[in-house]
This record gives sequence, structure tokens and C-alpha cells, in this order.
Amino acid sequence: AQTVTQSQPEMSVQEAETVTLSCTYDTSESDYYLFWYKQPPSRQMILVIRQEAYKQQNATENRFSVNFQKAAKSFSLKISDSQLGDAAMYFCAYRSAGGAGSYQLTFGKGTKLSVIP
Amino acid sequence: DARVTQTPRHKVTEMGQEVTMRCQPILGHNTVFWYRQTMMQGLELLAYFRNRAPLDDSGMPKDRFSAEMPDATLATLKIQPSEPRDSAVYFCASGLVRGVRGSMNTEAFFGQGTRLTVV
Repeated sequence: AQTVTQSQPEMSVQEAETVTLSCTYDTSESDYYLFWYKQPPSRQMILVIRQEAYKQQNATENRFSVNFQKAAKSFSLKISDSQLGDAAMYFCAYRSAGGAGSYQLTFGKGTKLSVIP
Repeated sequence: DARVTQTPRHKVTEMGQEVTMRCQPILGHNTVFWYRQTMMQGLELLAYFRNRAPLDDSGMPKDRFSAEMPDATLATLKIQPSEPRDSAVYFCASGLVRGVRGSMNTEAFFGQGTRLTVV
């Protein structure tokens, strides 16, 4: 079974600064996807960024980028130019690539990010 | 604007009562997930449907929980009888899986969840 670990229960960052959230995972599969989801106080789970394991290039989405280290099974999220609206819980998640496998997400316990004005 | 709709948003009930949570997946999606979120356990998969058939409900306590898809536009999660330890946020998510190898063409879209409080 796959596991996802987020070792930072809480983080804080000054507005306009950069912050990195950590995530490690454990799997025996070679083909999979990794995600970062954002959950603001509204509870809505919002997909921030997705990484396909077979792609060496790190995914980026505007101010959000990842550092994917497949051998180390590490998947960190970097938020640049932090904004007040970035304050939320952030979840790292894993999904098998499919075929005969299932498609459910396995989540880490989350990191609560606070943004200081 | 396609979205997953969950009702009710909030539910407070007394221990022993039946609770039914509903989910309308995005039109055209053939895969539905139910997740439960608690402070202690985080987000856990309860059940998972493809083309209305249950594929995995191993995360669900069978004695009191049941999940169904009466039709392609409705998924239900029922708890009977409810207990205080069932208090949590219950999320429904939907996605589209197709192709010979069953590749997932879209990632799961989440509803806003039902916050259940059992007193």
C-alpha cells in the first residue's frame, strides 16, 4: 500500500515571500501521479498542481512549482510571491497510473499554511 | 460551470438516527469516490464506483455504512445507525475513466463536502 507523509503540520510565510512544503511518499509502483491540493476554510478541495512520475521535468503552474525527486520519493511544493489567498491547508496526494489499478487518491495529513501580511 | 454537488452542506443529528448524504457527479463522469475527513485520520477513501458499480468499499464500516448509485446522476452514502465517531466531513468526488487500459482522463473533482455532526 502507498503512504504519503507530510512532516510539517504548520508553516508560515510572509506575504510576497517564498515557501516550500515537503512531502515524501512510499510506493513500489513505477508509474503514478502526485498532486498538491489546497483546502481553504470553505472546505473546497482545489487541485493546485499535478506531476506524472514518468516525466522528469518538474510541473509548474504560475506561482506554484514542484521539486520532484523520484529516487528519493520526494515531492515538495514551492509557492513564490505568497499571497494572502494562499493561506489554506495543503495536501499532498498519490494516485496509481491506472490500467488494472484503482484511481483513488492517497492523501498526506496536510500542512496548514499561514500567510503573514 | 461543471461541478460536483453535495447535499446537505451541514447535518446535525442525534446518535442512532439514519443519515443520508447525496452527491450529484459532474455530467459524463463515470467514476465516483466517497472520502471522509477527520482531524485524526485525515482524508480516507470510503468507497469508489465505476459506471455505477462498486469497485472498492473496503474503507467503509459495513455494519452501518452503505453506498449506492441509483443512477448515473446520483450517489448516496447512508449511515444507519449514526454514532458520534461518525462526525466528520464527507466528500464526494467524480472523474472520467475510459480507454482500453482504463486511463483516467480527468482528475477527480471534489464537491464541497457534507459536515456531519452526530450528538
